[in-house]
Amino acid sequence: GAVVSQHPSWVICKSGTSVKIECRSLDFQATTMFWYRQFPKQSLMLMATSNEGSKATYEQGVEKDKFLINHASLTLSTLTVTSAHPEDSSFYICSAQGPSGNTIYFGEGSWLTVV
Amino acid sequence: AQSVTQPDIHITVSEGASLELRCNYSYGATPYLFWYVQSPGQGLQLLLKYFSGDTLVQGIKGFEAEFKRSQSSFNLRKPSVHWSDAAEYFCAVGINQGGKLIFGQGTELSVKP
Repeated sequence: GAVVSQHPSWVICKSGTSVKIECRSLDFQATTMFWYRQFPKQSLMLMATSNEGSKATYEQGVEKDKFLINHASLTLSTLTVTSAHPEDSSFYICSAQGPSGNTIYFGEGSWLTVV
Repeated sequence: AQSVTQPDIHITVSEGASLELRCNYSYGATPYLFWYVQSPGQGLQLLLKYFSGDTLVQGIKGFEAEFKRSQSSFNLRKPSVHWSDAAEYFCAVGINQGGKLIFGQGTELSVKP
């Protein structure tokens, strides 16, 4: 079946640096992907919709200059957390709508710790 | 505005007992509804989904859910809980019949031996 893969699974970065998280659809093309953030013991909050070949659509309250999203191909979307701070430490998870349109596949998630 | 409410933050059941996790949604159109399970530190696994048709949906691991439009509910049930079912459960509604999901707050399930 369709699979979405995220990399890295775990990343630790220093405060003030940038970190990139990749989301790949492994055996299907995904024109649209979604990025969520989940703080410990909380629900998933949609951050943005990533559209292949165009700008991402950000949810209200999400800083687009801080969370850069690039969807340069039909199988890859990247989320770059710029100038990361400890409060950005979270679980970031992506999803993609499958070829049939009625199935949504989630990546395994990426744990970001900013020290 | 679209929203999903899971009234129970934490539920504890005995192994072998039945389970019902509640989910209420607010959405103007016909909803796409989902139940996901998440083990600690892990990603999401889809248990089942409802798009249309039969309002009683069967999922994996013996779970089922019933869509009740009149009550704006999509409760998850399992007749006999196993210890391995202990996890966090999320109900979600799909927006505009697309891949964008709004999640409920989650219900943490604990299973007593």
